[in-house]
Order: sequence, then structure tokens, then C-alpha cells
Amino acid sequence: QITLKESGPTLVKPTQTLTLTCTFSGFSLSTSGLGVGWIRQPPGKALEWLALIYWDDDKHYSPSLKSRLTITKDTSKNQVVLTMTNMDPVDTATYYCAHLTTVVNEIYYWGQGTLVTVSS
Amino acid sequence: QSALTQPASVSGSPGQSITISCTGTSSDVGGYNYVSWYQQHPGKAPKIMIYDVSNRPSGVSNRFSGSKSGNTASLTISGLQAEDEADYYCSSYTSSSTLGLFGGGTKLTVL
Repeated sequence: QITLKESGPTLVKPTQTLTLTCTFSGFSLSTSGLGVGWIRQPPGKALEWLALIYWDDDKHYSPSLKSRLTITKDTSKNQVVLTMTNMDPVDTATYYCAHLTTVVNEIYYWGQGTLVTVSS
Repeated sequence: QSALTQPASVSGSPGQSITISCTGTSSDVGGYNYVSWYQQHPGKAPKIMIYDVSNRPSGVSNRFSGSKSGNTASLTISGLQAEDEADYYCSSYTSSSTLGLFGGGTKLTVL
């Protein structure tokens, strides 16, 4: 059974760096073809891709946010970490991590999401 | 790159059928058969309902169907039920990015 869960702060101040951790089970990021991605959703708005990382450490970022994002994995801990620098109130959103295959737009397993509010 | 274009809202009565459109370009929806549809209830994570334009994952009701014509993909829900009331998002592979694209979302109201 594949499960994923996001963890991190629920409130960050403007200009701070956000660090989110996705802890998963039921699969390994040492398995060829698998990856983990991050997707966010501002309140009442659409889904937005942020970043993904594959088993071979191949990484991809949203072009509009690339300068602010870093994604890493710890295969031994079954964790993927996303950092986003220089947080702004417009970054307030629910952040989801998701299990990926090479067909990135077919996501069968999602975390429950974690709401991050950016406010002073 | 811009999100795929969906109507903001659609509505229908129980038992009726509705169709949600998702318009992209030849670089995404029109160029590849990699369109998926997701259902999202309030406060919940999205659930995949259709993949590869018209395929249903195991466990998804056959009341949900997908199709594509040119640069526009469509999700049809027949025999509307109250439980179908949710937000629906399309997603497509794009040649412009490894990450793919999401649509802006459509709120389905069952009257």
C-alpha cells in the first residue's frame, strides 16, 4: 500500500525559507522509473506543479519558481524534501507530494496535503 | 507556460449528463494522448478519474468517460449523482516541460 504524508510548518513569515518533507511508504525511490513530486494549490485556486525528483536523482522545477526551489531525496529514509526560499503571502497554499512514474500527469497516489500560510 | 483552459463552472441535475472541456495547444493536449482528469472534493487530495484521454483506472465508475478532438479534451459524466459534485482538473503532458500542465479547474454543481 502506497502512502505519502507531508510535514512542515503551517505558518511562515514573508522572506523566510519553507522546508517541507514528504515521508512515504509502499515504494522505494531506488526503483527505476519512480519519482516524487510536489504540487501546490492556493485556497480556491488551481493545482500548480512545483518540482519533481526521480530515482536517478533527475530533478525538474517549475520554470517560474526554479530560482526559489530545491528538491532532494533521502532514499534510506523514504523522504523527499522541498525547500522554497523568499516566501511571500501569494505562496499561501496547500502543498501536496505525490508518487510519480515517468508519466507525470498520471498521479494515483497523493499525500493528504499540508496548508502553509505565509503571514507576518 | 499557461494552464489549460477549462470552464469555471458547470451544473446539471441528477441523472443528466454534463461535459467539461479542457483546451490546450498542439504542444500539449493536441499533440499527445496523455490527458488525465482529476476529481477533487473539498479538503481532499485529487483523485484520478481518467488517464490517457479515455481510460478509466480500476474502481472508477463507467459513468465517467473522456475524449479528445484536436486541442480540446473532454470529460463527460453521465447519470449525474450528488456525490459527483466536486472540482475537476484536467492535466496534460507538454513538450515544453517535464512537469506537465494542469487546467484551471471546473466546479461541478449537481442541482
